[in-house]
Amino acid sequence: GEDVEQSLFLSVREGDSSVINCTYTDSSSTYLYWYKQEPGAGLQLLTYIFSNMDMKQDQRLTVLLNKKDKHLSLRIADTQTGDSAIYFCAESRHNQGGKLIFGQGTELSVKP
Amino acid sequence: EAQVTQNPRYLITVTGKKLTVTCSQNMNHEYMSWYRQDPGLGLRQIYYSMNVEVTDKGDVPEGYKVSRKEKRNFPLILESPSPNQTSLYFCASRDGGEEDGYTFGSGTRLTVV
Repeated sequence: GEDVEQSLFLSVREGDSSVINCTYTDSSSTYLYWYKQEPGAGLQLLTYIFSNMDMKQDQRLTVLLNKKDKHLSLRIADTQTGDSAIYFCAESRHNQGGKLIFGQGTELSVKP
Repeated sequence: EAQVTQNPRYLITVTGKKLTVTCSQNMNHEYMSWYRQDPGLGLRQIYYSMNVEVTDKGDVPEGYKVSRKEKRNFPLILESPSPNQTSLYFCASRDGGEEDGYTFGSGTRLTVV
């Protein structure tokens, strides 16, 4: 099917690392994205990874891609209360004009 | 400032009363798309447009119409809204390359009673 799957909730303590996981279905997807949605706001692009990469690091964010298992993860180091939000992974279907298929979103709660 | 602007932010309407949600982008993007967000379902694509006068159905197009008469505007039209169209709607645009991702509007929360 077309599903992109994420767990719905994650709770961590401030200062800990957060790891949000995602599985996708289409092995031909060229780009995979992580978006952040704060309450009452739209989606903000956090980072993306091209399908021929295994890892991408951007300051506190690390994206890992396992193409064999179609598994994507987002690690946030030194998680802060301002990181509390819903995080969506999405795959871009190149053969469908770059259509984005989203997961259900993971709500990250950071406790002081 | 580069942005996607949606209006209105909030709307409560009655079943059957036609409404339009406007979307405008100032980045000269070719690709625009409408999504609806429902709890536990993530975002699902309603319609998209690859360029002016080119539109196509997404995954959940029933009950919606769109038009793309100019590059910057991509309105979403609900001819006869029903309660199952109560949702949070997002407009998004993208330049040609997938690597840039999408820029999203702030959302329109629609309630149909």
